Amino acid sequence: AQSVTQLGSHVSVSEGALVLLRCNYSSSVPPYLFWYVQYPNQGLQLLLKYTTGATLVKGINGFEAEFKKSETSFHLTKPSAHMSDAAEYFCAVIRSGGYQKVTFGTGTKLQVIP
Amino acid sequence: GAGVSQSPSNKVTEKGKDVELRCDPISGHTALYWYRQRLGQGLEFLIYFQGNSAPDKSGLPSDRFSAERTGESVSTLTIQRTQQEDSAVYLCASNLDRNTEAFFGQGTRLTVV
Repeated sequence: AQSVTQLGSHVSVSEGALVLLRCNYSSSVPPYLFWYVQYPNQGLQLLLKYTTGATLVKGINGFEAEFKKSETSFHLTKPSAHMSDAAEYFCAVIRSGGYQKVTFGTGTKLQVIP
Repeated sequence: GAGVSQSPSNKVTEKGKDVELRCDPISGHTALYWYRQRLGQGLEFLIYFQGNSAPDKSGLPSDRFSAERTGESVSTLTIQRTQQEDSAVYLCASNLDRNTEAFFGQGTRLTVV
């Protein structure tokens, strides 16, 4: 079985500061990893994903994440926070191969302070 | 359709009534998921369908909750004898069987009064 842990249910950063949202996973086989964003009163949309290949993946709105197998992590970063980044962010994992269920973390709410 | 469609978008019901929530996944997506999101909280997994079968229904909170899927397409989540704690946004998602990302609908906001 796989699982996802997001450290910090709420994160606050100042506008222009680095954004770092943490995600650790467990999976017995190589995972596929995803970050989703949910803006207020909206559904979830995909921000970026890692399947195979380059471990540093870039997504929309300047976000990127790095798959670190040795640390079982897939942290989300953005060099400079913008007010419009305020949202809830979900990390998700699915085991590669076959029919597998996607598992989501509990989410991290990002607050951007002007 | 182009995306995951859920209906109704909003539902207000009286305590004790039954409700049905509908999800139309993206055509060809064999996997379908239901989640519950209470106000200010994260995603709570309810049930996962692969085709028309549900290999994982471990998240259904009580026997008042049930779901079915027919024709490897539409899914219905039924809540019987609704309670106020059932008030939440119910999200549906689907993905292909080869581990691509899940696509979400806009959700159904259920309010039990």
